[in-house]
Amino acid sequence: GAGVSQSPRYKVAKRGQDVALRCDPISGHVSLFWYQQALGQGPEFLTYFQNEAQLDKSGLPSDRFFAERPEGSVSTLKIQRTQQEDSAVYLCASSLARGEQYFGPGTRLTVT
Amino acid sequence: GENVEQHPSTLSVQEGDSAVIKCTYSDSASNYFPWYKQELGKGPQLIIDIRSNVGEKKDQRIAVTLNKTAKHFSLHITETQPEDSAVYFCAARWDGGATNKLIFGTGTLLAVQP
Repeated sequence: GAGVSQSPRYKVAKRGQDVALRCDPISGHVSLFWYQQALGQGPEFLTYFQNEAQLDKSGLPSDRFFAERPEGSVSTLKIQRTQQEDSAVYLCASSLARGEQYFGPGTRLTVT
Repeated sequence: GENVEQHPSTLSVQEGDSAVIKCTYSDSASNYFPWYKQELGKGPQLIIDIRSNVGEKKDQRIAVTLNKTAKHFSLHITETQPEDSAVYFCAARWDGGATNKLIFGTGTLLAVQP
């Protein structure tokens, strides 16, 4: 079946611009996660949704980062006033409750 | 806070040899330990996982061992093949909390030389 999809795959933004990254989870997966992966590092947790409820946003690095999942399916990660340190791959993962997490291909964000 | 250390950071083996990657976790409440393989330009792919009530798990050429007392777990790949070349990440998770977030290690770049 279809896996987790993310769009766009690549995004170049000028410093100060706002960006929106989309995640389409596997159908029926109630849990959705966003991770940030810096070059040469492991993924780091940003935020977690169970259905439409954002239960944990402890990993969001600043108030410029905002995530939503209004209907409990598609999720959007928004970054306002992008900075160079925001350059990374943003990974989305979905799972059944307390199940294995399946990752999408990621969105590579480059802030110039 | 929670932390997972992973060694080595790079590993080069000859085709057919075995490869071992080791991880140590800090949170003694962790009870789920997956391993992911990440190829260039792709997202991490789950290859095997183990829960804290099990000491070892095998799947064909891949095995994972867990020592809860020492808070160590390891990935073993036997009869390595060139297509095993990738970055491997270990992770840990506590299934008892509100969040099922994974804490990842820093990765091991495995190169299998033909």
